Amino acid sequence: GAVVSQHPSRVICKSGTSVKIECRSLDFQATTMFWYRQFPKQSLMLMATSNEGSKATYEQGVEKDKFLINHASLTLSTLTVTSAHPEDSSFYICSARRTANTGELFFGEGSRLTVL
Amino acid sequence: QKEVERDPGPLSVPEGAIVSLNCTYSNSAFQYFMWYRQYSRKGPELLMYTYSSGNKEDGRFTAQVDKSSKYISLFIRDSQPSDSATYLCAMEEGGSEKLVFGKGTKLTVNP
Repeated sequence: GAVVSQHPSRVICKSGTSVKIECRSLDFQATTMFWYRQFPKQSLMLMATSNEGSKATYEQGVEKDKFLINHASLTLSTLTVTSAHPEDSSFYICSARRTANTGELFFGEGSRLTVL
Repeated sequence: QKEVERDPGPLSVPEGAIVSLNCTYSNSAFQYFMWYRQYSRKGPELLMYTYSSGNKEDGRFTAQVDKSSKYISLFIRDSQPSDSATYLCAMEEGGSEKLVFGKGTKLTVNP
C-alpha cells in the first residue's frame, strides 16, 4: 500500500532556532500534501495544503512566515518551523493522496517537536 | 457549533465486546466519510472509507453512514487488546481535498 514517511520522528530544539520536517511519499507521486498539527488529546488541525510547484495554501490563523512549506518535488514536501518557541511544541503530521479527489488520504508517522 | 462532533470518550471495554463509536456533523456538503485509528505517538491509519449512506463491512469493522441524520458510526466486533487506540472520524466535502476531523475517542480493550 501507499506509504508516507516523515523525518525526523522526534526533534528537540532551543527556542529561536528553526526546524525542518520532511514528508515523503514513498511509492507514489503526490501533487498535493497536507500538514496537520495535533495537540495532546486533541484532533488533527489542518495547517496548510502543500502544492507541488506553487505556493502553499494556509488555513486561517496559521502564520505563513512562521511555518514555511516547500513542495519541491512530487514526492517531497517540507515544513520549516522558523524561530521556534515553546508554544510551537506539538505533533506535526503530513499526509498525501495517491490520486486526486479519491478521499483516501495516507498519513506519515508524525514528528514530535519539543522547543525548550 | 463545531462541524464534527464525536460521542464523548474514553471507552474501556472487555476483550470480545462490541464497540460502537459515533460522530455527528452539521455540514450537509460532506460527501466522504472516514475512520482513522491512531496509536499513541503515531500518525493516523485509515480504517474505513465510505461515501454513501448505508453499511460497509471490512473484517471485524463496520462503518455506517446516515446522511439524513448526519450521523456516522464505526462498529468493532470481537474487540481485541490490539484495537486499543484513538479512533478519529473524518469527513470531506466533494472536491475540497480537505478533511475535517472529529476529536477522537480513546478506546481501551482490556484482556
